[in-house]
Amino acid sequence: QQQVKQSPQSLIVQKGGISIINCAYENTAFDYFPWYQQFPGKGPALLIAIRPDVSEKKEGRFTISFNKSAKQFSLHIMDSQPGDSATYFCAARVTGGGNKLTFGTGTQLKVEL
Amino acid sequence: EAQVTQNPRYLITVTGKKLTVTCSQNMNHEYMSWYRQDPGLGLRQIYYSMNVEVTDKGDVPEGYKVSRKEKRNFPLILESPSPNQTSLYFCASSSIRAGANVLTFGAGSRLTVL
Repeated sequence: QQQVKQSPQSLIVQKGGISIINCAYENTAFDYFPWYQQFPGKGPALLIAIRPDVSEKKEGRFTISFNKSAKQFSLHIMDSQPGDSATYFCAARVTGGGNKLTFGTGTQLKVEL
Repeated sequence: EAQVTQNPRYLITVTGKKLTVTCSQNMNHEYMSWYRQDPGLGLRQIYYSMNVEVTDKGDVPEGYKVSRKEKRNFPLILESPSPNQTSLYFCASSSIRAGANVLTFGAGSRLTVL
């Protein structure tokens, strides 16, 4: 049972374009939604996170859009760069759930010149 | 440097030969956890620990054991490895204080069981 569904599995974007990765969840008890970025040979690292009391959070070129009624959230990477090429994981957590993160299946992003 | 250190980074073993993957963190974090990463399945939690001597099962605990005798260490034990445990393993840690509980991951341990 996949509690956090992520799409697409892979994505190729031209340099300067917008990368969009989508996630949907089922558990309405989730109240913290981070995105992790993973480069080859490295562990995932927190990129940006949002709580459901806001609909959007922006940090530099990275934006999370959150739709509580649809139980969906997405990551937008503006002006995508080759250095953004990595695997991206969305995740969700229940407060009081022991810090456990439930991850999506990951999206492999490649930004081409 | 604040970090989570895993060893070994790469290991090839044979079915049934007990092995231990070590994990150590230098951030005085209470919470530690093990995940496995498999293509198409993302990261799935194996075991976690809220503090010393407190451990609990995650989503895929079968075939694994853990212990938390010291706050900084959280080894993953495979008593009798099988080929379906071939995977990329990550240890992670975090504080349990509200607002300070970002999960920090190690660099990963790639295990192959023949």
